[in-house]
Amino acid sequence: GNSVTQMEGPVTLSEEAFLTINCTYTATGYPSLFWYVQYPGEGLQLLLKATKADDKGSNKGFEATYRKETTSFHLEKGSVQVSDSAVYFCALRNQAGTALIFGKGTTLSVSS
Amino acid sequence: SAVISQKPSRDICQRGTSLTIQCQVDSQVTMMFWYRQQPGQSLTLIATANQGSEATYESGFVIDKFPISRPNLTFSTLTVSNMSPEDSSIYLCSDGGRQGTGITDTQYFGPGTRLTVL
Repeated sequence: GNSVTQMEGPVTLSEEAFLTINCTYTATGYPSLFWYVQYPGEGLQLLLKATKADDKGSNKGFEATYRKETTSFHLEKGSVQVSDSAVYFCALRNQAGTALIFGKGTTLSVSS
Repeated sequence: SAVISQKPSRDICQRGTSLTIQCQVDSQVTMMFWYRQQPGQSLTLIATANQGSEATYESGFVIDKFPISRPNLTFSTLTVSNMSPEDSSIYLCSDGGRQGTGITDTQYFGPGTRLTVL
């Protein structure tokens, strides 16, 4: 079946540190891959996406590259800010029109 | 991006009662999805709401407990019936595709309904 595995949190970093949140997936076919972010007390927002192998999604300084050979979509940011503190969810969609499948989420806490 | 609204944004309910959550999308969509997010957990798909047909439920969710309506292409409701404290969660709706423009692979979410059952 289809599934998403994220690194366990929480992740605690100092401001300006480098961030990596690992995400690997299992899927039949060629899924689209997503990172969503949930800020405290808010809804779920799309952060970035990639729809085919070797695509790089990027937004707000975050990046993730779709690696088919390692079935991974790791989220990175070169210099985190306190405002990046949130829960990050990796997700896949195996076919257009089907529902997203989410990982368990990783809580990021950034201190100044 | 899509604009999706939900009502109510939060509620506190008594055990044994029911609550209906409304979801409104700003344009016509082929499918809508309902998710549950239990405290500190990820999102779990409850069901897919299709216009003109019965909703499709995921394993562990049944129509008697979570009846869904989809009267048109921009609106859906989810009812949480005969509630117990275990139903305390955030319930989110999501769109699954834009009518008339082909199916997009980006899913947008409403802000969620935070439900507490006493």
